[in-house]
Amino acid sequence: AQRVTQPEKLLSVFKGAPVELKCNYSYSGSPELFWYVQYSRQRLQLLLRHISRESIKGFTADLNKGETSFHLKKPFAQEEDSAMYYCALRDSNYQLIWGAGTKLIIKP
Amino acid sequence: KAGVTQTPRYLIKTRGQQVTLSCSPISGHRSVSWYQQTPGQGLQFLFEYFSETQRNKGNFPGRFSGRQFSNSRSEMNVSTLELGDSALYLCASSLVGTGNTEAFFGQGTRLTVV
Repeated sequence: AQRVTQPEKLLSVFKGAPVELKCNYSYSGSPELFWYVQYSRQRLQLLLRHISRESIKGFTADLNKGETSFHLKKPFAQEEDSAMYYCALRDSNYQLIWGAGTKLIIKP
Repeated sequence: KAGVTQTPRYLIKTRGQQVTLSCSPISGHRSVSWYQQTPGQGLQFLFEYFSETQRNKGNFPGRFSGRQFSNSRSEMNVSTLELGDSALYLCASSLVGTGNTEAFFGQGTRLTVV
């Protein structure tokens, strides 16, 4: 079955510390993976997608097909990174399959 | 370019009533998806419409229904409201089939059932 798993509901790190938000997926085909972010009182928005291989706001995510993972990383957390992060997979029917989300809190 | 617009932003309804939520996608977007967001369950997929046809459906009871019009605007209806239907309902639109598959979200409609 297609599934996206974010094992941490809550992740709390100090400002300046590295951040890694975990995402694992289960999908039989070639997945298209995304990270979406929802800042307080703002709409859910795309952070990055694996096909772009880009770095947005210092975040990167590498697709590891062997480990079926798409972890989101940032070397030095900033307070403005505090938000809800969702990992999502788009299947061949164009449906987005979502993880449960991880709430990231950056402590000053 | 205007973003995804959802109306109303807030609604308070009584158990047993029905409600209709509206979503206007970004111009040119033909795919509209609906989600229920709650603190405990996260984002739950309701359904997706493409060119006025329901293409995908999540695991929600038949009380939840939707439709899409020829201009791609979409409505979602919930009948016989229950307290557990209280949630933020999000709509997202996307350009499907062009290689750009980013979903653009509206601000949501906050439904409270009392």
